[in-house]
Amino acid sequence: QKEVEQNSGPLSVPEGAIASLNCTYSDRGSQSFFWYRQYSGKSPELIMFIYSNGDKEDGRFTAQLNKASQYVSLLIRDSQPSDSATYLCAVKVSGTASKLTFGTGTRLQVTL
Amino acid sequence: GAVVSQHPSWVICKSGTSVKIECRSLDFQATTMFWYRQFPKQSLMLMATSNEGSKATYEQGVEKDKFLINHASLTLSTLTVTSAHPEDSSFYICSARQGLAGAGTDTQYFGPGTRLTVL
Repeated sequence: QKEVEQNSGPLSVPEGAIASLNCTYSDRGSQSFFWYRQYSGKSPELIMFIYSNGDKEDGRFTAQLNKASQYVSLLIRDSQPSDSATYLCAVKVSGTASKLTFGTGTRLQVTL
Repeated sequence: GAVVSQHPSWVICKSGTSVKIECRSLDFQATTMFWYRQFPKQSLMLMATSNEGSKATYEQGVEKDKFLINHASLTLSTLTVTSAHPEDSSFYICSARQGLAGAGTDTQYFGPGTRLTVL
């Protein structure tokens, strides 16, 4: 079983719609959760981080964490073509010297 | 804030030569930096953890004598690919940790990456 799992996609949503990206993790000791956006040929860019159960909103982005079910999600409201990218879920497990474990990423396509 | 730079952004070299890549945290001090490699259409693979003033910690399967890491200051880590071969061609990305690890709220910020092509 992979430590961090994401659906590879592509996830296709029309412009203006809500994109929902999901991630599950296997280690219950995970303490911090991150969403990175990576455009093709570029390095990852931090979108959001979340540490506590519940929702965290930042502009058009909302991260949701449910530690009991071991999943974290990212909602993108009013999706724009510029949001088309691969979204990487990353998890930090306590006691791992801050190393992140990445999922393979979900490719999002926002269509006109 | 939290800007990380890398230099060079791309490099082409002949097989057998060594290539040095620099990673700098521009607006914060980073006691820990990380080096990743990413092949086309694959996810990030952590190569090593670079700690200021001490030896790097390499992930399983990564040759420490081939990928030399030096973290000489709180804002600079370097990765040297020694005796590079075509199979070392990849996208090398560093990240710098901002915040205190013990607090559990530290965050990694990535540099723009270095694309290495070995002929």
